[in-house]
Amino acid sequence: QQPVQSPQAVILREGEDAVINCSSSKALYSVHWYRQKHGEAPVFLMILLKGGEQKGHEKISASFNEKKQQSSLYLTASQLSYSGTYFCGSHNTDKLIFGTGTRLQVFP
Amino acid sequence: EAQVTQNPRYLITVTGKKLTVTCSQNMNHEYMSWYRQDPGLGLRQIYYSMNVEVTDKGDVPEGYKVSRKEKRNFPLILESPSPNQTSLYFCASSFIRESGELFFGEGSRLTVL
Repeated sequence: QQPVQSPQAVILREGEDAVINCSSSKALYSVHWYRQKHGEAPVFLMILLKGGEQKGHEKISASFNEKKQQSSLYLTASQLSYSGTYFCGSHNTDKLIFGTGTRLQVFP
Repeated sequence: EAQVTQNPRYLITVTGKKLTVTCSQNMNHEYMSWYRQDPGLGLRQIYYSMNVEVTDKGDVPEGYKVSRKEKRNFPLILESPSPNQTSLYFCASSFIRESGELFFGEGSRLTVL
């Protein structure tokens, strides 16, 4: 079952914060986060494996709730380079299934 | 340099003309997968492989075939392409472990007329 991402799109000014959510009706085995810039391949950001886990990567961090049904990606003090489409992915047995994506645009 | 290489990067073909998109990785990854990306639908998995000679269907396998005769290669075959297979295709690979991040190829944009 495909994870549901919200919002579908976000427009920000440089320096503003954003939160992208990824949820599922069933517990997720793990959550991957990827960013895809326009015309490029998706690039791995981070993976969360355990309920309650939080992880950070520079000014981008993520959390995985205790029930493992929701993950959130936090982008703080956004930069122009953060623009792109963000995907969450979750394992379903051997498959890695991605959400439909959240398009983030950061303007000066 | 660690990479996933896809060819061709761009292809325009006609309905019914068999084609193969090649994918090769140099990281000794066990896991390889094909995705197609369409506007508003995100990345949908076509086929995946856990190791040599082990392949399985993803969510949208109809109209596609794959093979995994060698660990490094995972070609995607369209036996009789149709216009609804016009899409952007990505090959990806990873180690099979809990923290295995997916490495993506640069993508192959296919147009079927």
